Amino acid sequence: DGGITQSPKYLFRKEGQNVTLSCEQNLNHDAMYWYRQDPGQGLRLIYYSQIVNDFQKGDIAEGYSVSREKKESFPLTVTSAQKNPTAFYLCASSTGTGRRQPQHFGDGTRLSIL
Amino acid sequence: GESVGLHLPTLSVQEGDNSIINCAYSNSASDYFIWYKQESGKGPQFIIDIRSNMDKRQGQRVTVLLNKTVKHLSLQIAATQPGDSAVYFCAENIGNNNDMRFGAGTRLTVKP
Repeated sequence: DGGITQSPKYLFRKEGQNVTLSCEQNLNHDAMYWYRQDPGQGLRLIYYSQIVNDFQKGDIAEGYSVSREKKESFPLTVTSAQKNPTAFYLCASSTGTGRRQPQHFGDGTRLSIL
Repeated sequence: GESVGLHLPTLSVQEGDNSIINCAYSNSASDYFIWYKQESGKGPQFIIDIRSNMDKRQGQRVTVLLNKTVKHLSLQIAATQPGDSAVYFCAENIGNNNDMRFGAGTRLTVKP
């Protein structure tokens, strides 16, 4: 089945540690996105990528980093500089960055602090 | 399961009734809108979309209405079922790329 796979489902971070969240898609989508979801708030964009080897900061990029070496993969690293990392992280993809394209989501990774 | 949102507006309906969920959007230049459904502990699921050149669009048991005059979007669910219980949120296209702004959502609870 085509879709977006995020792993792990749950992740725990220690003080000073970097952690990497995986996102893989087999939809042949060009564009991929990372969002953060906090209780009672709308999704906030962290980073997005329109094509391989290119990515742009979203609204809340500080303390995060990404790479896009393959079309299928868009991993997110939560660095120790992110002081409030506890959240639900969602990866999405769409067929392109032209307007009017629905974004499709994975089932998320919940990150907590030990 | 995990809660996707605390202190969200809530709507409680009886099974079999129709549900109407509302959304006010921010940008009068937005020309594309999406409704998503999010169940506890899962990612948002695409339900239906609408472009600004339309006022109404229907899917299976769902209808989206767009009122550009007052920047209002609504999702109607016919014959609501227990499986419809979830958080529903709208998204609007806000830029030249596929930049979307997402609402916080409404929690729908269906009572059997």
